[in-house]
Amino acid sequence: QVQLVQSGAEVKKPGASVKISCRASGYTFTSYFIHWVRQAPGQGLEWMGMINTSAGTTNIPQKFRDRVTMTRDTSTSTVYMELSSLRSEDTAVYYCAREPPGAADGFDYWGQGTLVIVST
Amino acid sequence: EIVLTQSPGTVSLSPGERATLSCRASQSVSSRYFAWYQQKPGQAPRLLIYGASSRATGIPDRFSGSGSGTDFTLTISRLEPEDFAVYYCQQYGSSVWTFGQGTKVEIK
Repeated sequence: QVQLVQSGAEVKKPGASVKISCRASGYTFTSYFIHWVRQAPGQGLEWMGMINTSAGTTNIPQKFRDRVTMTRDTSTSTVYMELSSLRSEDTAVYYCAREPPGAADGFDYWGQGTLVIVST
Repeated sequence: EIVLTQSPGTVSLSPGERATLSCRASQSVSSRYFAWYQQKPGQAPRLLIYGASSRATGIPDRFSGSGSGTDFTLTISRLEPEDFAVYYCQQYGSSVWTFGQGTKVEIK
Protein backbone atom coordinates (compact mmCIF):
# COMPACT_ATOMS: atom_id res chain seq x y z
CA GLN A 1 0.00 0.00 0.00
CA VAL A 2 1.10 3.55 -0.65
CA GLN A 3 2.79 5.16 2.34
CA LEU A 4 4.59 8.41 2.96
CA VAL A 5 6.44 8.26 6.26
CA GLN A 6 7.94 11.44 7.63
CA SER A 7 10.69 12.03 10.14
CA GLY A 8 9.98 12.92 13.73
CA ALA A 9 9.27 16.15 15.52
CA GLU A 10 11.95 18.82 15.78
CA VAL A 11 12.62 21.69 18.16
CA LYS A 12 14.86 24.40 16.78
CA LYS A 13 16.10 27.81 17.83
CA PRO A 14 15.45 30.91 15.74
CA GLY A 15 17.96 31.26 12.93
CA ALA A 16 18.63 27.54 12.71
CA SER A 17 17.69 25.17 9.91
CA VAL A 18 15.54 22.06 9.88
CA LYS A 19 15.60 19.17 7.41
CA ILE A 20 12.56 16.91 7.23
CA SER A 21 12.41 13.63 5.34
CA CYS A 22 9.53 11.88 3.59
CA ARG A 23 10.09 8.24 2.65
CA ALA A 24 7.78 6.78 0.03
CA SER A 25 6.81 3.16 -0.44
CA GLY A 26 4.21 1.07 -2.22
CA TYR A 27 4.53 2.73 -5.61
CA THR A 28 7.07 3.77 -8.22
CA PHE A 29 8.78 6.72 -6.54
CA THR A 30 9.76 8.59 -9.69
CA SER A 31 6.28 8.45 -11.20
CA TYR A 32 4.81 11.01 -8.82
CA PHE A 33 5.70 14.50 -7.67
CA ILE A 34 6.04 15.26 -3.97
CA HIS A 35 4.71 18.47 -2.47
CA TRP A 36 5.25 20.08 0.92
CA VAL A 37 2.37 21.74 2.75
CA ARG A 38 2.50 23.28 6.20
CA GLN A 39 -0.10 24.12 8.80
CA ALA A 40 0.55 26.54 11.63
CA PRO A 41 -1.30 25.84 14.90
CA GLY A 42 -5.03 26.41 14.40
CA GLN A 43 -4.48 27.69 10.88
CA GLY A 44 -5.09 26.53 7.31
CA LEU A 45 -2.93 24.80 4.74
CA GLU A 46 -0.05 26.55 3.01
CA TRP A 47 1.71 25.16 -0.05
CA MET A 48 5.51 25.37 0.16
CA GLY A 49 6.54 23.86 -3.13
CA MET A 50 7.16 20.62 -4.95
CA ILE A 51 9.85 18.39 -6.39
CA ASN A 52 9.75 16.37 -9.56
CA THR A 53 11.15 13.14 -8.16
CA SER A 54 12.26 11.94 -11.57
CA ALA A 55 14.09 15.03 -12.81
CA GLY A 56 14.97 16.45 -9.41
CA THR A 57 13.63 19.85 -10.41
CA THR A 58 11.66 21.99 -8.02
CA ASN A 59 8.90 24.57 -8.07
CA ILE A 60 9.02 26.74 -4.96
CA PRO A 61 6.81 29.82 -4.59
CA GLN A 62 8.44 33.20 -4.16
CA LYS A 63 7.58 33.37 -0.45
CA PHE A 64 9.85 30.42 0.34
CA ARG A 65 12.33 30.51 -2.52
CA ASP A 66 15.26 31.90 -0.54
CA ARG A 67 14.76 29.65 2.50
CA VAL A 68 13.54 26.29 1.21
CA THR A 69 15.54 23.54 -0.47
CA MET A 70 13.96 20.33 -1.72
CA THR A 71 15.99 17.29 -2.73
CA ARG A 72 15.38 13.64 -3.36
CA ASP A 73 17.28 10.37 -3.10
CA THR A 74 15.93 7.90 -5.61
CA SER A 75 17.94 5.05 -4.10
CA THR A 76 15.92 5.28 -0.90
CA SER A 77 12.71 6.80 -2.33
CA THR A 78 13.08 9.72 0.05
CA VAL A 79 12.41 13.41 -0.36
CA TYR A 80 13.94 16.04 1.90
CA MET A 81 12.77 19.55 2.65
CA GLU A 82 15.14 21.95 4.38
CA LEU A 83 13.90 25.25 5.78
CA SER A 84 16.54 27.72 6.88
CA SER A 85 16.64 30.92 8.93
CA LEU A 86 13.84 29.64 11.12
CA ARG A 87 11.61 32.08 12.97
CA SER A 88 8.77 31.58 15.39
CA GLU A 89 6.22 31.88 12.60
CA ASP A 90 7.62 28.69 11.07
CA THR A 91 6.24 26.68 13.97
CA ALA A 92 3.87 24.31 12.21
CA VAL A 93 3.11 20.78 11.15
CA TYR A 94 4.79 20.03 7.84
CA TYR A 95 3.25 17.50 5.48
CA CYS A 96 4.53 15.84 2.35
CA ALA A 97 1.95 14.79 -0.21
CA ARG A 98 1.99 12.87 -3.47
CA GLU A 99 0.69 14.20 -6.76
CA PRO A 100 0.29 12.33 -10.02
CA PRO A 101 2.01 14.48 -12.67
CA GLY A 102 -0.36 16.76 -14.52
CA ALA A 103 -1.94 18.60 -11.59
CA ALA A 104 -5.35 17.18 -12.42
CA ASP A 105 -5.71 14.55 -9.72
CA GLY A 106 -5.01 16.43 -6.50
CA PHE A 107 -2.72 15.30 -3.70
CA ASP A 108 -3.87 11.75 -3.20
CA TYR A 109 -1.64 10.51 -0.36
CA TRP A 110 -0.19 12.44 2.53
CA GLY A 111 2.46 11.81 5.12
CA GLN A 112 1.55 11.81 8.81
CA GLY A 113 3.05 15.23 9.38
CA THR A 114 6.14 16.49 11.19
CA LEU A 115 5.81 19.05 13.97
CA VAL A 116 8.50 21.71 13.95
CA ILE A 117 8.67 24.04 16.93
CA VAL A 118 10.83 27.14 16.70
CA SER A 119 11.52 28.55 20.12
CA THR A 120 14.27 30.07 22.20
CA GLU B 1 -1.62 34.50 -7.16
CA ILE B 2 -5.19 33.28 -7.11
CA VAL B 3 -6.90 33.65 -3.75
CA LEU B 4 -9.57 31.16 -2.71
CA THR B 5 -12.22 32.37 -0.26
CA GLN B 6 -14.36 29.76 1.45
CA SER B 7 -17.75 30.37 3.03
CA PRO B 8 -19.08 30.05 5.54
CA GLY B 9 -16.20 29.93 7.96
CA THR B 10 -18.15 27.61 10.22
CA VAL B 11 -21.46 25.87 9.70
CA SER B 12 -23.44 24.09 12.42
CA LEU B 13 -25.57 21.19 11.20
CA SER B 14 -27.12 18.00 12.50
CA PRO B 15 -26.40 14.48 11.27
CA GLY B 16 -28.59 13.69 8.28
CA GLU B 17 -28.70 17.29 7.11
CA ARG B 18 -27.27 18.57 3.85
CA ALA B 19 -24.08 20.64 3.84
CA THR B 20 -23.25 23.10 1.09
CA LEU B 21 -19.76 24.59 1.17
CA SER B 22 -18.64 27.35 -1.15
CA CYS B 23 -15.25 28.31 -2.55
CA ARG B 24 -14.81 31.45 -4.62
CA ALA B 25 -11.66 32.25 -6.60
CA SER B 26 -10.28 35.74 -7.12
CA GLN B 27 -10.03 34.96 -10.84
CA SER B 28 -11.15 32.17 -13.10
CA VAL B 29 -9.51 28.80 -12.45
CA SER B 30 -9.46 25.62 -14.45
CA SER B 31 -11.92 23.05 -13.17
CA ARG B 32 -9.38 20.42 -14.12
CA TYR B 33 -7.05 21.68 -11.39
CA PHE B 34 -9.55 22.16 -8.56
CA ALA B 35 -9.85 19.88 -5.54
CA TRP B 36 -11.46 19.51 -2.12
CA TYR B 37 -9.94 17.99 1.03
CA GLN B 38 -11.27 16.93 4.41
CA GLN B 39 -9.19 17.27 7.56
CA LYS B 40 -9.99 15.93 11.01
CA PRO B 41 -8.16 17.04 14.16
CA GLY B 42 -4.68 15.59 14.42
CA GLN B 43 -4.84 14.03 10.97
CA ALA B 44 -3.44 14.83 7.55
CA PRO B 45 -5.84 16.15 4.92
CA ARG B 46 -7.66 13.59 2.80
CA LEU B 47 -8.45 14.10 -0.86
CA LEU B 48 -12.21 14.06 -1.50
CA ILE B 49 -12.75 15.59 -4.92
CA TYR B 50 -10.42 16.32 -7.83
CA GLY B 51 -11.11 17.90 -11.20
CA ALA B 52 -13.89 19.85 -9.42
CA SER B 53 -16.35 16.93 -9.54
CA SER B 54 -14.57 13.56 -9.53
CA ARG B 55 -14.60 11.62 -6.28
CA ALA B 56 -11.29 10.24 -5.11
CA THR B 57 -10.87 6.55 -4.47
CA GLY B 58 -12.99 5.31 -1.59
CA ILE B 59 -14.96 8.52 -1.10
CA PRO B 60 -18.68 7.90 -0.47
CA ASP B 61 -21.16 9.18 -3.03
CA ARG B 62 -22.77 11.51 -0.49
CA PHE B 63 -19.85 13.83 -1.33
CA SER B 64 -20.16 15.72 -4.59
CA GLY B 65 -18.37 18.65 -6.17
CA SER B 66 -19.53 21.12 -8.77
CA GLY B 67 -18.73 24.48 -10.24
CA SER B 68 -16.57 26.26 -12.76
CA GLY B 69 -14.83 29.55 -13.36
CA THR B 70 -14.71 31.32 -10.02
CA ASP B 71 -17.41 29.49 -8.04
CA PHE B 72 -17.16 25.95 -6.75
CA THR B 73 -19.29 23.97 -4.32
CA LEU B 74 -18.82 20.88 -2.18
CA THR B 75 -22.06 19.22 -1.16
CA ILE B 76 -22.48 16.54 1.47
CA SER B 77 -25.95 15.17 0.86
CA ARG B 78 -26.59 13.64 4.29
CA LEU B 79 -24.09 14.30 7.04
CA GLU B 80 -22.72 11.28 8.85
CA PRO B 81 -21.06 11.62 12.27
CA GLU B 82 -17.64 11.11 10.69
CA ASP B 83 -18.15 14.03 8.27
CA PHE B 84 -17.78 16.70 10.94
CA ALA B 85 -14.40 18.16 10.05
CA VAL B 86 -12.69 21.05 8.27
CA TYR B 87 -12.88 21.21 4.49
CA TYR B 88 -10.40 22.95 2.21
CA CYS B 89 -10.57 23.83 -1.46
CA GLN B 90 -7.43 23.94 -3.58
CA GLN B 91 -6.49 25.12 -7.04
CA TYR B 92 -3.49 25.09 -9.34
CA GLY B 93 -2.70 27.91 -11.71
CA SER B 94 0.36 29.76 -13.05
CA SER B 95 2.64 27.17 -11.43
CA VAL B 96 1.26 27.87 -7.98
CA TRP B 97 -1.03 25.84 -5.75
CA THR B 98 -3.25 27.67 -3.30
CA PHE B 99 -5.71 26.59 -0.62
CA GLY B 100 -8.78 28.23 0.76
CA GLN B 101 -8.82 29.09 4.46
CA GLY B 102 -11.18 26.24 5.28
CA THR B 103 -14.78 25.69 6.37
CA LYS B 104 -15.47 23.92 9.63
CA VAL B 105 -18.57 21.71 9.69
CA GLU B 106 -19.55 21.28 13.32
CA ILE B 107 -22.29 19.37 15.07
CA LYS B 108 -25.31 21.45 15.96
